Amino acid sequence: DAKTTQPPSMDCAEGRAANLPCNHSTISGNEYVYWYRQIHSQGPQYIIHGLKNNETNEMASLIITEDRKSSTLILPHATLRDTAVYYCISAVVNQGGKLIFGQGTELSVKP
Amino acid sequence: DTAVSQTPKYLVTQMGNDKSIKCEQNLGHDTMYWYKQDSKKFLKIMFSYNNKELIINETVPNRFSPKSPDKAHLNLHINSLELGDSAVYFCASSLLAGATNTGELFFGEGSRLTVL
Repeated sequence: DAKTTQPPSMDCAEGRAANLPCNHSTISGNEYVYWYRQIHSQGPQYIIHGLKNNETNEMASLIITEDRKSSTLILPHATLRDTAVYYCISAVVNQGGKLIFGQGTELSVKP
Repeated sequence: DTAVSQTPKYLVTQMGNDKSIKCEQNLGHDTMYWYKQDSKKFLKIMFSYNNKELIINETVPNRFSPKSPDKAHLNLHINSLELGDSAVYFCASSLLAGATNTGELFFGEGSRLTVL
């Protein structure tokens, strides 16, 4: 079973920031927080990951609370192409890629 | 160039048949995986191979037999197909676990299997 919980769906206006929350209250000290997304009819795509510091890349920012029990993925300027299911996963880096996907959050970016 | 490619993209077959899905990655990764996404959209890992050696087998029925001829290829053979095998199967790859491993998985586009 997935060890993270996410809202099942969210809407966001095009051009606005999309803030996707994730709860991982039972995360272990050696587990990272990963975010993937799956655009309809495509394979999952890696977005970002972090351990305890906030992270930013060309796709998104990841804000992890100090107690590491929750995090927020931020898409700073959402576009229609960001409409997808977003998965938050907690996993140990070197556990052979055994990512446990939950139901994710279905993000709809609307014009 | 497609990093992780799967063939076929669509496969429709009858119950009881045997079929294979092929996967190739050109990323130079050491580890490859098969994931299954069912009708409820849950993604579950089935197998992972590290440099041709099986390292994860998630209690998948033995009708499913992965084969890795080399570290760039991981094929999935399914015997005696059942209705419940209908799903989208995703292949993925990643760097070998180690100090430089980010844990990032690269997924293929999926192979949609429909068993009638």
